[in-house]
Amino acid sequence: NAGVTQTPKFRILKIGQSMTLQCAQDMNHNYMYWYRQDPGMGLKLIYYSVGAGITDKGEVPNGYNVSRSTTEYFPLRLELAAPSQTSVYFCASASGTGADEQFFGPGTRLTVL
Amino acid sequence: KNEVEQSPQNLTAQEGEFITINCSYSVGISALHWLQQHPGGGIVSLFMLSSGKKKHGRLIATINIQEKHSSLHITASHPRDSAVYICAVPSRSGAGSYQLTFGKGTKLSVIP
Repeated sequence: NAGVTQTPKFRILKIGQSMTLQCAQDMNHNYMYWYRQDPGMGLKLIYYSVGAGITDKGEVPNGYNVSRSTTEYFPLRLELAAPSQTSVYFCASASGTGADEQFFGPGTRLTVL
Repeated sequence: KNEVEQSPQNLTAQEGEFITINCSYSVGISALHWLQQHPGGGIVSLFMLSSGKKKHGRLIATINIQEKHSSLHITASHPRDSAVYICAVPSRSGAGSYQLTFGKGTKLSVIP
């Protein structure tokens, strides 16, 4: 079991560029999440999915989009990158109702210059 | 939405000391999570508990549902325990589904 994998590990973008952060899990979990972590702040939920074809906004969705065509993959799309999107991004997955243990990917460190 | 407060924000201890990290939340919950974030950035789940106490090695987590408070204790602390410890509680996000709300974390440094 690879668990939750994320690519890339690091990325530098210029203002206005776009990119997709990849996330995959091999545990057949229904719930998947995207978080961002800024220095000194708690993890903030960007988007989440309760199953293939179903996504919903979290606390900080502006500037991002997601899709979930299969159980395994949950990519996060950044359109028109801005310096405020400089952060560390974590993908996570969970079984059950989403109140259960979450399994985190290793994170993607994104810098927008 | 549940508000989660952790204390202290930063903690420095000598190796061997007993460590306590506290977490308070505002809305009654079904379970509370403690997570550990390593200096390299990886996040792992330590405990999920809904009542009483759980123990894993030198780590002990307790929860008081009535007082909306949980503590994470580390006995005989070691430099490898240096990490950020994060408390999280579920908040209902839709019919039958939940999101986790996270505290800002407690950064622990254990000095040899």
